[in-house]
Amino acid sequence: AQKVTQAQTEISVVEKEDVTLDCVYETRDTTYYLFWYKQPPSGELVFLIRRNSFDEQNEISGRYSWNFQKSTSSFNFTITASQVVDSAVYFCALSDSLFSSASKIIFGSGTRLSIRP
Amino acid sequence: DVKVTQSSRYLVKRTGEKVFLECVQDMDHENMFWYRQDPGLGLRLIYFSYDVKMKEKGDIPEGYSVSREKKERFSLILESASTNQTSMYLCASSSLAGQGATDTQYFGPGTRLTVL
Repeated sequence: AQKVTQAQTEISVVEKEDVTLDCVYETRDTTYYLFWYKQPPSGELVFLIRRNSFDEQNEISGRYSWNFQKSTSSFNFTITASQVVDSAVYFCALSDSLFSSASKIIFGSGTRLSIRP
Repeated sequence: DVKVTQSSRYLVKRTGEKVFLECVQDMDHENMFWYRQDPGLGLRLIYFSYDVKMKEKGDIPEGYSVSREKKERFSLILESASTNQTSMYLCASSSLAGQGATDTQYFGPGTRLTVL
C-alpha cells in the first residue's frame, strides 16, 4: 500500500539555521510521483515541487533543496538559512497507485516548522 | 496562475443542519478533490471527481456527498452535520494527466467548519 511517513511532527530552529524535513515513502509502483507542499498559517496549501521517480537528480530552488534517494525511499527537503517566513506546516505526498486512479495523492501527516527570530 | 476558490473561510453550523461547501476553479481542470484536515492526521480524501457528474469515494466518504454539475464547480454536502465533522475542509483541482502520470493538485484556501 502507498504510505508517506513524516516522522518529525514539529521542528523549531533559530533563524538562519539550516533545517531538513524528512520524508519516507512506501509504494509498490515503479513509476510514481513525489510532492512537497507548504501550508502557511493562512491555511492554503502551496505547491513546492513535483518529482518523477525516474529523475533522481537533486533539485535546488533558491534556499530550498530536495534530496531524492530511491535506495532509501526518501525525499527530504532542506531549507538553507531559514527565515521566519518559512514557518509553516510542510507536507510530503506520493501519487496513489497508478493501477487505481492516476490522479490521487497520498499525503503524509505533515511537519510543523517554526523559525524563531 | 491556477485559482481555486472556496465559498467561505469560516463557517459555524448546528448539529443536524445541511451544509454546502462550494469550490470553484478557473483552470478548466478535469479533476477536483475534497479533503478534510485534522491535527495529526494530515489530509484525508473524502471524494473526488474526474469529470462532470462523475464522482468516486475517497478514504472517508461516510457522512458526505458531492455534486459536480459543471466542470468548474465541485460541491461538498454534509446531509446532517455532526460535531465530529468539525474540521478544515480543503478543495483541490488538477488537470487530466497522461496515462501513468499524476498531475499536481492545486488547493483552495480552505473552509474551517465548526459544528455546534
